[in-house]
This record gives sequence, structure tokens and C-alpha cells, in this order.
Amino acid sequence: DTGVSQNPRHKITKRGQNVTFRCDPISEHNRLYWYRQTLGQGPEFLTYFQNEAQLEKSRLLSDRFSAERPKGSFSTLEIQRTEQGDSAMYLCASSPGHGNTGELFFGEGSRLTVL
Amino acid sequence: AQTVTQSQPEMSVQEAETVTLSCTYDTSESNYYLFWYKQPPSRQMILVIRQEAYKQQNATENRFSVNFQKAAKSFSLKISDSQLGDTAMYFCAFMRGQGGSEKLVFGKGTKLTVNP
Repeated sequence: DTGVSQNPRHKITKRGQNVTFRCDPISEHNRLYWYRQTLGQGPEFLTYFQNEAQLEKSRLLSDRFSAERPKGSFSTLEIQRTEQGDSAMYLCASSPGHGNTGELFFGEGSRLTVL
Repeated sequence: AQTVTQSQPEMSVQEAETVTLSCTYDTSESNYYLFWYKQPPSRQMILVIRQEAYKQQNATENRFSVNFQKAAKSFSLKISDSQLGDTAMYFCAFMRGQGGSEKLVFGKGTKLTVNP
């Protein structure tokens, strides 16, 4: 399968714990995006990378959230000191970058439940 | 800031019939793109159709077509000959044109159920 891969698919954690999600984009895509989707809402933009450079971060991305893409391939999204309000689906998407006109290729998401 | 509004939380249609999903948006940009994305149950989101704002002709992709009314800032999706596999959440989305932010701004979605 050469699509966008996200792990883990489901994560249940207790409030205050740290969690990390991984995203492996389509191999030739140099742009990678993270979105958050809560129940009954559309995805909300969190951040995006072009290669290893993080080019934009949403104000939704508080200081407890950090994302990296160290070698311009896979990316990680870490949430420190989780809160119940962090419960959501975290979606990763990638795109070819140059010449792209908005078609993002999404993974199946990582669902976080904070107890 | 751009906003996208989908006023129909849920819709249903009989198989083989036609259904139209509504979307309005607000922006001061002149160069932008509009999209409809489909999210089937427990599956990843995929692009259904894309419209460039500078194009007057409405986009079509097989059974899917849009009615793009730029002055009214309206962008509806028509699904013809509905199939059971069309059952999904449908999200309308906006993106600023080249040179702007790459991020998509999504509406809240419309849950479409196609009944046999």
C-alpha cells in the first residue's frame, strides 16, 4: 500500500500523559499536513511541512503540541500533558508540493481518547 | 479569515436519484480553490472534485458536478445516479490561491446516506 500511513490508529490515555503519533506520507510527496477533527466538525488545520521545514502553525497548536519531520519523510505529532479536550481524530495528509492545487492525500487518522 | 458553511448536517437520497449538497463560503480573496472531499465511514478522506475560482465553467467528474456561483459565494455539489457507495460525510473546503497558505478550511460536513 503506497498511501498515507498513520500509527497508532487508536490511542487511549489518561489525562496528563504524553502521546506521540506517526505519519508516513506518500514517498514522493514533499508536503505534509496535520489536521484535527472532533466529532461533528470538519478537519481543522494544525500545521504543515515542506520537506523538513515547518512552514505554518495554527494557533490551535498550543505549546503542549509539537510536530517534527526531521528528514523530510515521516512526521511525528507529540502531545504533552494531555487534556480531555485533546480527544479527537488526528489526520495526516500529504501532497506533491510544486504544482499542487489543493488535492491532499489523507491517512485514516489516529483517534485519541483522553480519560 | 475564510469561513465555509454547510447548512445541511444530514441528507438522504434513494439509490439512482439525484441529490444536491449546499456550501457557502466567505472570503475577500480573488484567487482561490474550492473542493468537495468525501469521508466514507472508517475510511480516509478523498477528493471528489475541485474548482478554480478563476474558471467560469463548472467542474464535473463523472456523476459529480458543482454549481459555482462566485458572486453569491456558493458552491454546491450535485451527485447524479446516487450509489450505495456514495454514503459518506461530504466536506466542502476552501484554499487560497498559489502564493497563499496551503491550508484547507473545511466546513462542518454533510452526512449523506444513500438508501437502497
